Amino acid sequence: RKEVEQDPGPFNVPEGATVAFNCTYSNSASQSFFWYRQDCRKEPKLLMSVYSSGNEDGRFTAQLNRASQYISLLIRDSKLSDSATYLCVGSSYNTDKLIFGTGTRLQVFP
Amino acid sequence: EPEVTQTPSHQVTQMGQEVILRCVPISNHLYFYWYRQILGQKVEFLVSFYNNEISEKSEIFDDQFSVERPDGSNFTLKIRSTKLEDSAMYFCAGRTGNSGNTIYFGEGSWLTVV
Repeated sequence: RKEVEQDPGPFNVPEGATVAFNCTYSNSASQSFFWYRQDCRKEPKLLMSVYSSGNEDGRFTAQLNRASQYISLLIRDSKLSDSATYLCVGSSYNTDKLIFGTGTRLQVFP
Repeated sequence: EPEVTQTPSHQVTQMGQEVILRCVPISNHLYFYWYRQILGQKVEFLVSFYNNEISEKSEIFDDQFSVERPDGSNFTLKIRSTKLEDSAMYFCAGRTGNSGNTIYFGEGSWLTVV
C-alpha cells in the first residue's frame, strides 16, 4: 500500500458547491496529518492540521479516522480562488519528514 | 510574514555539471529540509538538517547530493554531477524547534538538466 494515497481528480465544481476529498494512509505515515494546498508550480502551503477529533477552519473541515486509516477534507461554499491541488500529508513516528500524497486537483468554475 | 527565500528560481544546466541551490531560512528556524518534486509527481523528502548535520536522508539523497550551512545563514543543496532525472522543483523548508511546528516552504528552485 502506498504511504499516502489520494484520488488525483480533477474535481470540477461550480462556485458555491461543497466538495470533499479523501485520503488513505499506511502505518508508515500515521503520526500526524495535514492538508496542504499547492498552486501550479508553487510551493506547498499548509492549509490545516488534522486532529483526531476533527477540526474546522472557516469553510474547511478536516476529519481523521484512525480505525480506517482515512482522512478527509471538506470545502463548503467553493470559491474560484480555491482552485488548486490539495495535498494530503502524513508524518511518521520517530522521524521528521513529511510524506506527501500525489494531490487532488480542484477546479472551481463560475 | 517572514519567508524562506531560494535562489535561483530557475536554472538550466548540462548533464554532468555541478549545481548549487541556495536557501535563506527564516531566522528563528532550527530545522531545515530539502524536498523535490518532479513535474507531475508528488513532493518527495530528500534530507533534514539540524545542529549543522544531517539528521535524516532518503534513498534519493545519494552520494551525488550534499548539504551544508557554512555561515549560519545560507542552507545549500549541491548536486555534484547532475543527471537528466534530477530535473525537478527543489523546495527548501524550515521550522522552529517546537515539536509539531509548521514547516514553511520556500518558493522553490526549478532545475532543468539537459
